[in-house]
Order: sequence, then C-alpha cells, then structure tokens
Amino acid sequence: AQTVTQSQPEMSVQEAETVTLSCTYDTSESDYYLFWYKQPPSRQMILVIRQEAYKQQNATENRFSVNFQKAAKSFSLKISDSQLGDAAMYFCAYRSALLGAGNQFYFGTGTSLTVIP
Amino acid sequence: DTAVSQTPKYLVTQMGNDKSIKCEQNLGHDTMYWYKQDSKKFLKIMFSYNNKELIINETVPNRFSPKSPDKAHLNLHINSLELGDSAVYFCASSPFSGNEQYFGPGTRLTVT
Repeated sequence: AQTVTQSQPEMSVQEAETVTLSCTYDTSESDYYLFWYKQPPSRQMILVIRQEAYKQQNATENRFSVNFQKAAKSFSLKISDSQLGDAAMYFCAYRSALLGAGNQFYFGTGTSLTVIP
Repeated sequence: DTAVSQTPKYLVTQMGNDKSIKCEQNLGHDTMYWYKQDSKKFLKIMFSYNNKELIINETVPNRFSPKSPDKAHLNLHINSLELGDSAVYFCASSPFSGNEQYFGPGTRLTVT
C-alpha cells in the first residue's frame, strides 16, 4: 500500500508571512493524484489544492501553491501571506489513477498550523 | 445544497448501545467512504462502496456494519458500542474515475 508522510506535526507562522508544509509519499505507480486538505476547528474537511502527477506544472490556487517533485516523491504546500483563517490541520493525500486501485485515498497524519497575529 | 450530509452531527450514548449514522450525497458520485478520525486527528479508512458494492473493508471490528441501500446513501451501524469507538466519523464520496473526495461534516460520537 502507498504511504504518505507528513514529518511536521506542528508548524507556526506569523500573519502575512509564508509557510511551507512538507509531504512525502511512497509509490511505485507513475500516474496518481495528490491533494492537500484543510481541516479548521469546525472539523469540515476542505480541499485546498490538487495536483495530477502527469502534469509538470505546479498547481496554484490563490495564496496556495505546491512544489511537486515527482522523482523525489515530494509534495509540499506553500501558503503565502498567511491569514488567521489559515489556522487548521492540513492533510496531504494520495490517490492512484489506476482504475483497478479500488479508489482508495491515503492520508498523511496531518500538520497542525498555527497563525500568530 | 449540501453535497455530502451526515446525521446526526453529534451522538452521545452509553457503552453497549447500538447506533447508526446516516450519510447521503447528492453529487451523483459512484463511490462512498467511511473514515474514523481519532483524538490525534489520524484519519483511518474503514469502508468504501462503489455502486452499492463493498470494495474496501479495512480491519475494523465486526460490530461495525456499513449498508448502502443505493449509490447515494451509505449508512454505518455500530453494535455494542465501546469507549474506544469515541471519535469523529466522516463520510465522503468521489467519482469512481475522478479525483478528489468530498467530505461530510462529520459525526462526533461520544461513548460514555
């Protein structure tokens, strides 16, 4: 089974500064999807950003961008101009693109982000 | 319109009771999931159904039984509840050949 590792259980950032959350994964597949989900204190899981492995260009969604290094199996999330509302638990997730893969998602253990005013 | 809904959002019950959590999605997705999130926020897949057929059944106690009456619904029934069952349970759905999952709001189950 694929594994997703988030080595930073907790991170903090000053408001308006930039922070990068790390994620690595282990797979033998060449085609897959990677995601970052945000879980604020409301506990709702919200999709932040998505990356298709076949795309070389890094995904960007407003203040959120990723650094996707396929060879290194690394998928970090950069949050620019951090806001108080960015404080949340962030989960990295992997999903195979193979049709026979059972449609399973693999989640990391999460990184708790604190934004300091 | 709520895409993935769960009821109830909070459930407090005593050990030994039987309870159910309901999940419905109106996205037309083929696949639905149940996850358990413990106090350390670890997300653990429990079950996955595709078009009413069980495709993922992780190692969970037999006291947990999912039921999918149709592809828009996936309910979770728990028998003989134990203290260790206290957690937040998330329902999610995704297109079978698509990409991201859409999550419900979660059900916080507290067993006393």
